Amino acid sequence: AQSVAQPEDQVNVAEGNPLTVKCTYSVSGNPYLFWYVQYPNRGLQFLLKYITGDNLVKGSYGFEAEFNKSQTSFHLKKPSALVSDSALYFCAVPHRGNNRLAFGKGNQVVVIP
Amino acid sequence: EAQVTQNPRYLITVTGKKLTVTCSQNMNHEYMSWYRQDPGLGLRQIYYSMNVEVTDKGDVPEGYKVSRKEKRNFPLILESPSPNQTSLYFCASSRGRGEKLFFGSGTQLSVL
Repeated sequence: AQSVAQPEDQVNVAEGNPLTVKCTYSVSGNPYLFWYVQYPNRGLQFLLKYITGDNLVKGSYGFEAEFNKSQTSFHLKKPSALVSDSALYFCAVPHRGNNRLAFGKGNQVVVIP
Repeated sequence: EAQVTQNPRYLITVTGKKLTVTCSQNMNHEYMSWYRQDPGLGLRQIYYSMNVEVTDKGDVPEGYKVSRKEKRNFPLILESPSPNQTSLYFCASSRGRGEKLFFGSGTQLSVL
């Protein structure tokens, strides 16, 4: 079954420093991969997705993600974190063969002023 | 404005009392889905629907029912709620598999 793992529960980063949120995947074939963000007391919002092609995907709010097939990773990155980036981040992958969607457990990002 | 609307935002109920959480989207999306969010477990898919009258189980369907009689609506029904269904629920829609999801604002359900 397709799945994603987010190995860290929480990431703390100082404002202005680079931010990385990790995601590894277990997928047969070529995966679709997504990142979503959940701000406090809000629903999830789409950030970006990888389908095929360029391994560096640019998304909303200055975020980007790098698809690495050899490491089966799809880490989310931002060159300079803002306090307003403090949120819960989810990696997700559609199942192959059905229409389910699997989410990771989520990563709480805390950006310290 | 394109949106997914869930109601109610908060719901407190007692064990065994049937309830329905409504979900409606105005984007003519074919795919709709329900998730529950629990601390440490992330989002888990309950049910999804590929189109009108087409529904299928997700990862945690036990204790839930859904229906898709119209394209825009996808209600979640708990016929006999139990305390382990206390959770934050999200409805979402998209144009189809592999497309980005649009989420509702969530329904915080407490079953006493």
